[in-house]
Amino acid sequence: RKEVEQDPGPFNVPEGATVAFNCTYSNSASQSFFWYRQDCRKEPKLLMSVYSSGNEDGRFTAQLNRASQYISLLIRDSKLSDSATYLCVVNPVVRKFQFGAGTQVVVTP
Amino acid sequence: DVKVTQSSRYLVKRTGEKVFLECVQDMDHENMFWYRQDPGLGLRLIYFSYDVKMKEKGDIPEGYSVSREKKERFSLILESASTNQTSMYLCAIQIGLGYNEQFFGPGTRLTVL
Repeated sequence: RKEVEQDPGPFNVPEGATVAFNCTYSNSASQSFFWYRQDCRKEPKLLMSVYSSGNEDGRFTAQLNRASQYISLLIRDSKLSDSATYLCVVNPVVRKFQFGAGTQVVVTP
Repeated sequence: DVKVTQSSRYLVKRTGEKVFLECVQDMDHENMFWYRQDPGLGLRLIYFSYDVKMKEKGDIPEGYSVSREKKERFSLILESASTNQTSMYLCAIQIGLGYNEQFFGPGTRLTVL
């Protein structure tokens, strides 16, 4: 079993719609969680950290469910520019980061 | 703003060549990382360094070595490049310590012929 698992997609989303997807992790002792966005042939860029209470940044909402060991990302009012691959990153111990393979989102006009 | 630069965006080398990939940060961050990224596999850690001259193997160190002589510079070395080392190489720094996030350089797409 992979340490961090994501649905690879693609999630095809009409512009203006809402899309949500999850990421499961295996290490219950994981301390911090992040969503990164990666455009084709570019480096990953931090989208948002995920806090225990859940957090929102504009159209993006992240949730953490420790009991079921998953984090989620919801994108509201999708824009064409939201098309990207979204990487889930889990930090189980200091200086160790575990990456999901990414979920591809394609927003269509 | 944090700035992480990598020596080349694209690189083409021949099998058996020794390859140097450099990563430079403009701040004083202790932790620096080298990953490779391949389709469907996600990012895999090759090596990381937590201080000058300090390094630890990651998940896939075979065929690679690293050097950190100065705090701002972390080099990845492919001792004898092979075709299966064709990949995207990403350098990252960790912002501060503890469980803080990472910040990535632009990546080097290496092709070994």
